[in-house]
Amino acid sequence: DVKVTQSSRYLVKRTGEKVFLECVQDMDHENMFWYRQDPGLGLRLIYFSYDVKMKEKGDIPEGYSVSREKKERFSLILESASTNQTSMYLCASSPREYAFFGQGTRLTVV
Amino acid sequence: GEDVEQSLFLSVREGDSSVINCTYTDSSSTYLYWYKQEPGAGLQLLTYIFSNMDMKQDQRLTVLLNKKDKHLSLRIADTQTGDSAIYFCAEIPPLGGKLIFGQGTELSVKP
Repeated sequence: DVKVTQSSRYLVKRTGEKVFLECVQDMDHENMFWYRQDPGLGLRLIYFSYDVKMKEKGDIPEGYSVSREKKERFSLILESASTNQTSMYLCASSPREYAFFGQGTRLTVV
Repeated sequence: GEDVEQSLFLSVREGDSSVINCTYTDSSSTYLYWYKQEPGAGLQLLTYIFSNMDMKQDQRLTVLLNKKDKHLSLRIADTQTGDSAIYFCAEIPPLGGKLIFGQGTELSVKP
């Protein structure tokens, strides 16, 4: 079974903090994605990566950056957390045709 | 542009059939998907259909694809309370490689 693991289920951070969300997949997939999910807005793509050290902006990259130093790991970084980044964050990996998701990280910025 | 649209809510009685609808804009998408999200969980791939198919059936699930109208639907037969969840329609545009999701339809099943 494909496994996509996000480092935390719940996270509470203070405004202005630098926040790291980690995601690891065990199936050697090239593609990895970070989405955020908000009620009524569905899933919006923040960043994605087709390969190690490669990244591309999604629909809402402002306030975020990413890192992919190893194929299995894709990190999402909030450079200076703000309250409007309170959300559910979902990581996914994909061989191409379809994506497998982690369990999500619910981040609250206070 | 790329866009996937779904209605936000659907309520049915246990034992009835549920039909969740979705419209998409990229007619060249090769794959179309349905994902299920239970409360507090990530997304689980429920089923998918290739664009050269009109219908796919998998136990209680039936997916219908109307390419002319760019309309995708998911029918759940004999809906159970355990089917209560948010259902997302998604497509992968051929050049994009990234999943484009609809807003999600929250299915509520009443006993």
